Amino acid sequence: EDKVVQSPLSLVVHEGDTVTLNCSYEVTNFRSLLWYKQEKKAPTFLFMLTSSGIEKKSGRLSSILDKKELSSILNITATQTGDSAIYLCAVEYAGGTSYGKLTFGQGTILTVHP
Amino acid sequence: KAGVTQTPRYLIKTRGQQVTLSCSPISGHRSVSWYQQTPGQGLQFLFEYFSETQRNKGNFPGRFSGRQFSNSRSEMNVSTLELGDSALYLCASSRTSGGAYETQYFGPGTRLLVL
Repeated sequence: EDKVVQSPLSLVVHEGDTVTLNCSYEVTNFRSLLWYKQEKKAPTFLFMLTSSGIEKKSGRLSSILDKKELSSILNITATQTGDSAIYLCAVEYAGGTSYGKLTFGQGTILTVHP
Repeated sequence: KAGVTQTPRYLIKTRGQQVTLSCSPISGHRSVSWYQQTPGQGLQFLFEYFSETQRNKGNFPGRFSGRQFSNSRSEMNVSTLELGDSALYLCASSRTSGGAYETQYFGPGTRLLVL
């Protein structure tokens, strides 16, 4: 059975700290890994990572995929209270039998205190 | 460009009733996927539609069904509601799926409470 596991499940930090969120996966027909941020309702897209191993960056956020370790990390530097959210990673499948399906991890709840 | 919209945003039903939720994708997006999010199970894939055809289905009972219209808008229906169907139902759209690296963009969800 396909698995996507995130760690830690929750994290409490203070503003200015740097955090690293982890996502590991065991799936067949891997195509890409996606990170989303969910604050109140809609998960908002952060990054898509493929087996190319290219690091993605956006402001204080960065992410990379380790295809040998079947894992990905999401780094947030100089955290702000606005970074408080649930961070979700999801795996997308290659091949025609898994159209439109993402398999999600449980999510990491990040709380940033002022 | 307008994002994915879902209606209604909140819904309260009683056991045994049925419910229909609606999703309008981003303009130009033809693939719509539906997910159920609960505290215990997280986000789980329900089904995906493309060009009015269901191409993929998750492990949910037949009480969960959907359809897509020619303008790519999609509806999902849950019949004979059970307490365990209480959840946030999210839809996501992408231009295509299965053939390219296409990002799914999510709507705000419909919060369903079954009493």
